[in-house]
Amino acid sequence: DAGVIQSPRHEVTEMGQEVTLRCKPISGHNSLFWYRQTMMRGLELLIYFNNNVPIDDSGMPEDRFSAKMPNASFSTLKIQPSEPRDSAVYFCASSFGNMNTEAFFGQGTRLTVV
Amino acid sequence: ILNVEQSPQSLHVQEGDSTNFTCSFPSSNFYALHWYRWETAKSPEALFVMTLNGDEKKKGRISATLNTKEGYSYLYIKGSQPEDSATYLCAQYSGGGADGLTFGKGTHLIIQP
Repeated sequence: DAGVIQSPRHEVTEMGQEVTLRCKPISGHNSLFWYRQTMMRGLELLIYFNNNVPIDDSGMPEDRFSAKMPNASFSTLKIQPSEPRDSAVYFCASSFGNMNTEAFFGQGTRLTVV
Repeated sequence: ILNVEQSPQSLHVQEGDSTNFTCSFPSSNFYALHWYRWETAKSPEALFVMTLNGDEKKKGRISATLNTKEGYSYLYIKGSQPEDSATYLCAQYSGGGADGLTFGKGTHLIIQP
């Protein structure tokens, strides 16, 4: 398996634009997580899905952020409209089972909003 | 302790020396403790997942211990090598299906030749 695949690797966009980040989890994994990494706050959980169903989205910063998982092999994280403070590295991770099994991370998407 | 805390924030160690650092977490409602190794420009990779009080796990020169009653875990590296330079993250899963993994901010380890 190629591991967790995220796209794009880098995204630079203007404030106010819509941004969509994509993730393909490892085949057979039934849990998927979106994290945001910043210098100030470290690695924060935004939302996680289990069997394609959002379980906890309490980490989503505000209504500008939304995430979907239409099937077991694809998820998106959308920011609309984007703001400069959204600039961060966004990681997707997947695991099989619940949280007592290790999570496998993608390479991340570095988002810069100017 | 309300959050997952790691110390020290950064650490410089001479090649060949052994070192260790700490992860502290809320001891209530504990379910699992994860350690990840995160190299620059790469994604975090799992080292250990521990669930039982007194657990001790080892992978090569790296080992970890867990005390769920007092809420801490230690990561040990024996005979540090330059390739051990990375940020080491710990994360707690407090169970219940609603929390996800809560990460500490990491210990940034630099091995000096």
